[in-house]
Amino acid sequence: KQEVTQIPAALSVPEGENLVLNCSFTDSAIYNLQWFRQDPGKGLTSLLLIQSSQREQTSGRLNASLDKSSGRSTLYIAASQPGDSATYLCAASQGGSEKLVFGKGTKLTVNP
Amino acid sequence: GAVVSQHPSWVICKSGTSVKIECRSLDFQATTMFWYRQFPKQSLMLMATSNEGSKATYEQGVEKDKFLINHASLTLSTLTVTSAHPEDSSFYICSATNLGQGIFGGYTFGSGTRLTVV
Repeated sequence: KQEVTQIPAALSVPEGENLVLNCSFTDSAIYNLQWFRQDPGKGLTSLLLIQSSQREQTSGRLNASLDKSSGRSTLYIAASQPGDSATYLCAASQGGSEKLVFGKGTKLTVNP
Repeated sequence: GAVVSQHPSWVICKSGTSVKIECRSLDFQATTMFWYRQFPKQSLMLMATSNEGSKATYEQGVEKDKFLINHASLTLSTLTVTSAHPEDSSFYICSATNLGQGIFGGYTFGSGTRLTVV
């Protein structure tokens, strides 16, 4: 059964800093891994999707990597801004199915 | 891009009543929809998977008679919380995909419904 863990649970940084969010998963037989952003009381916004055959994906200031062999993914945010403050969720597909298993998220606060 | 609309965004109901939540795919046909619930400061927990025209598949521990899911068309799935109780208060979110495209294209999520049972 897939289990997804995110570290740290919370992170507070000054504006402009580069940062890394970590995600680990127990079952490497994944179709894909997806990073989401969730603002308080809101739904999920997809940030990046990495297929199992890929190693990384980039979108603007965001870069996500995937290492299936070690069961890890990282989300790198460059030059953080206060508007980046949100909870970031990592989700890995459960092997052999379309189901997504979510981590508990990392709550990011970027201070002006 | 793919858009999923979820309605209502919030609802308050009395204990013992039923509440229906709608999830619509606006610009694509959703052969599969997923329903999640999220407690404060917790992760999303999958409740059930619904495929158009067939019965939903519930995750272990989810009462199918309490959480009724209907996926009657390729653009609409509904979740009905029957005989709601305060412990059902939570944030419910749906997501949708088309013909397994979630595997390759990812999943689109609705904006969620905050249910408060008083």
